[in-house]
Amino acid sequence: DGGITQSPKYLFRKEGQNVTLSCEQNLNHDAMYWYRQDPGQGLRLIYYSQIVNDFQKGDIAEGYSVSREKKESFPLTVTSAQKNPTAFYLCASSIGLRPQETQYFGPGTRLLVL
Amino acid sequence: QKEVEQNSGPLSVPEGAIASLNCTYSDRVSQSFFWYRQYSGKSPELIMSIYSNGDKEDGRFTAQLNKASQYVSLLIRDSQPSDSATYLCAVLSGGTSYGKLTFGQGTILTVHP
Repeated sequence: DGGITQSPKYLFRKEGQNVTLSCEQNLNHDAMYWYRQDPGQGLRLIYYSQIVNDFQKGDIAEGYSVSREKKESFPLTVTSAQKNPTAFYLCASSIGLRPQETQYFGPGTRLLVL
Repeated sequence: QKEVEQNSGPLSVPEGAIASLNCTYSDRVSQSFFWYRQYSGKSPELIMSIYSNGDKEDGRFTAQLNKASQYVSLLIRDSQPSDSATYLCAVLSGGTSYGKLTFGQGTILTVHP
């Protein structure tokens, strides 16, 4: 089955710790995205990537880092510099970045701070 | 002014009624508009996309776009309790921010039997 997988489903972070969220897609999509959703809020863009080895900052990139070494994978690292990391993190992908291309979402990772 | 604004609700309608969800946006060069449905604790799933002025129908759902008024809406006919969810309006800019999907805060819809 084609789709987007995210792991883990729940992640707990201790103070000062970096954690990495996994996102994998087998849709052969070029573009991938990371969003953050806080309770009662819409989604906010953290980073996006349109091709391998290239990525761009979104609206709230501070305290986060990404890599895109493979087309299928776009991991997100939440660093200790992110002071309020508790949120629902959503990975998405689309065929490309043209305006009419739909973004499809993975199931999400819920990050909680201990 | 927020880039994409929705009435957060909650919007409560009886089963079988028409639910009307509204969204306004500020970027005049926006080209693509999407409605996503999000059940509690789940990820958003695409319901409708619309790119041209006018109406687009898909089953019980109708999306309406008016670029002059910078307004997009979603009508759900014959609402069912299973339609109870948060509906997110998303707008994709066609300008320099290619690929940037901006979301509204979502409207909570409750359909009661």
